[in-house]
Amino acid sequence: EPEVTQTPSHQVTQMGQEVILRCVPISNHLYFYWYRQILGQKVEFLVSFYNNEISEKSEIFDDQFSVERPDGSNFTLKIRSTKLEDSAMYFCASSEESGSGNTIYFGEGSWLTVV
Amino acid sequence: AQTVTQSQPEMSVQEAETVTLSCTYDTSESDYYLFWYKQPPSRQMILVIRQEAYKQQNATENRFSVNFQKAAKSFSLKISDSQLGDAAMYFCAYRSAVGQGAQKLVFGQGTRLTINP
Repeated sequence: EPEVTQTPSHQVTQMGQEVILRCVPISNHLYFYWYRQILGQKVEFLVSFYNNEISEKSEIFDDQFSVERPDGSNFTLKIRSTKLEDSAMYFCASSEESGSGNTIYFGEGSWLTVV
Repeated sequence: AQTVTQSQPEMSVQEAETVTLSCTYDTSESDYYLFWYKQPPSRQMILVIRQEAYKQQNATENRFSVNFQKAAKSFSLKISDSQLGDAAMYFCAYRSAVGQGAQKLVFGQGTRLTINP
């Protein structure tokens, strides 16, 4: 069964450093997402991406964050100048179409620890 | 804005028995979708079951079924014949059918389910 893959599975970074989290969505999917889960808290929507541009973003997704689809397969989340509170599990997800009936499939997550 | 509430932080059940996880939500929309996701210790989010709000019939997937009460804005998950592999965090989620809200899932706080052998 096709799946969303994410790298790295775990990254430790110094506060103030830039981090890039990578994702390979399911190949025929057109919509891509990033979600965040701080330890012990609920999963939160960050951003959705379609046709090479952001289609929606949450208030969490400020200028510190950016997303990019650098080629035909990868989808990345860049976090600039990381802060301690950025420590969380970051989930990439994808769906076939925009219709909300379409299931959103999640990757296994990238655990980011900022020290 | 829509909200999803799971009032049971933890639940436990004996293996082979049935357990029901509760979820309520708040919305002014009439058309939407509801989901249950499972997050095992591996932390991957796995879709368990989905329900379209316009369908009166409750969704079922093998041992998993839902009790969808639209007027009460309630969406509970029933797991029958519980297995050790069902142990996980379960998240209820809401997604609008139209508009910008259709781009995102709104999650509840989660219920941690323990299966006792």
